[in-house]
Amino acid sequence: GEDVEQSLFLSVREGDSSVINCTYTDSSSTYLYWYKQEPGAGLQLLTYIFSNMDMKQDQRLTVLLNKKDKHLSLRIADTQTGDSAIYFCAESLPGGYNKLIFGAGTRLAVHP
Amino acid sequence: EAGVTQFPSHSVIEKGQTVTLRCDPISGHDNLYWYRRVMGKEIKFLLHFVKESKQDESGMPNNRFLAERTGGTYSTLKVQPAELEDSGVYFCASSPTIRDALYNEQFFGPGTRLTVL
Repeated sequence: GEDVEQSLFLSVREGDSSVINCTYTDSSSTYLYWYKQEPGAGLQLLTYIFSNMDMKQDQRLTVLLNKKDKHLSLRIADTQTGDSAIYFCAESLPGGYNKLIFGAGTRLAVHP
Repeated sequence: EAGVTQFPSHSVIEKGQTVTLRCDPISGHDNLYWYRRVMGKEIKFLLHFVKESKQDESGMPNNRFLAERTGGTYSTLKVQPAELEDSGVYFCASSPTIRDALYNEQFFGPGTRLTVL
């Protein structure tokens, strides 16, 4: 079945690294995504990883994919107060039309 | 370029009433999706249009929900009659044609928060 799970809340100190974790059940995922939602705004694609990759780095963001364990993580280096938001993990499945399967979102709170 | 817009941003109605949500996708995007997030839970897929045709409506909860996309441009999602469990945030997203989408990025609107009392 299709299921994506993530922890609901993470609190970090400004300047530390944040790691947000996600597990998924469908091994046929083609792409996995991290979306960010700031208060009052829509979901913004933060980064994505193709299912045949293990890691992707983009400036302060590092995505790790463990296909064997069906585990995806997002690391944010040097976390800033502007990173406070809800982060959604999502997967798309093969079939051409790619509806997204989302988790419940992890609320990241960054404190001084 | 304008992003995905949704109207209204917030709607409060009573149980049994009708509400219509509107989504304007990014111009030229053939794919339009509706999703819903209920009570802080996961965002769930409702349906997918390709131009004016419903490609996948497997996520529509029941026949009280009716989605249309006249002319393949904007889309409406009508809930009639609304029930308490319909409360949540309704997101719309759009994406280009599959051949143009390298990794199927879906561009989301800000959502409509629906409260049914």
